[in-house]
Amino acid sequence: NAGVTQTPKFRVLKTGQSMTLLCAQDMNHEYMYWYRQDPGMGLRLIHYSVGEGTTAKGEVPDGYNVSRLKKQNFLLGLESAAPSQTSVYFCASSWWAGRPLHFGNGTRLTVT
Amino acid sequence: GIQVEQSPPDLILQEGANSTLRCNFSDSVNNLQWFHQNPWGQLINLFYIPSGTKQNGRLSATTVATERYSLLYISSSQTTDSGVYFCAVEGQAGTALIFGKGTTLSVSS
Repeated sequence: NAGVTQTPKFRVLKTGQSMTLLCAQDMNHEYMYWYRQDPGMGLRLIHYSVGEGTTAKGEVPDGYNVSRLKKQNFLLGLESAAPSQTSVYFCASSWWAGRPLHFGNGTRLTVT
Repeated sequence: GIQVEQSPPDLILQEGANSTLRCNFSDSVNNLQWFHQNPWGQLINLFYIPSGTKQNGRLSATTVATERYSLLYISSSQTTDSGVYFCAVEGQAGTALIFGKGTTLSVSS
């Protein structure tokens, strides 16, 4: 089992460009999450999904969109990147609410 | 929403020393987990511990839900224990973990 896989690992964007981060899990987990990590801020929840076809906003959703068309995939989109979105993005999944969380290895995004 | 505070923010130890990390939270929780982020950035789940005590090798954790805190104990620390330790909680009305800002641990030989 690969667990939680994030693609790409690194990306540099110019302000105003768009991109999609892909998260894939092979553990048949229902719940999936996107977090961002900034120095001194811990991890902050962007969006999450409680099952295929569902999405919900987290703490810092502005500027991001998500989709969960297939149970194993959770996509995070940036429609018009801004320097404030420079961060490390982590995807995570869990079998159900209140169960152990499993993380991917992160995507480092720089917006210039 | 629920607030999570971790202390201390930074901790420097000599190899072999013991340490206690604390996590305070502002409301009742259904779910509490401890994570270790290693120097390469990987996040590893250490404990799922909404209440009670668990042990895994040199690490153990205790959550006193009624008093809204959790403790992570590291005994006989090793250089490989270095990194950032995060506490994360889910409130009774929530469906996602909210993270504290972490404790950065540096263990030197």
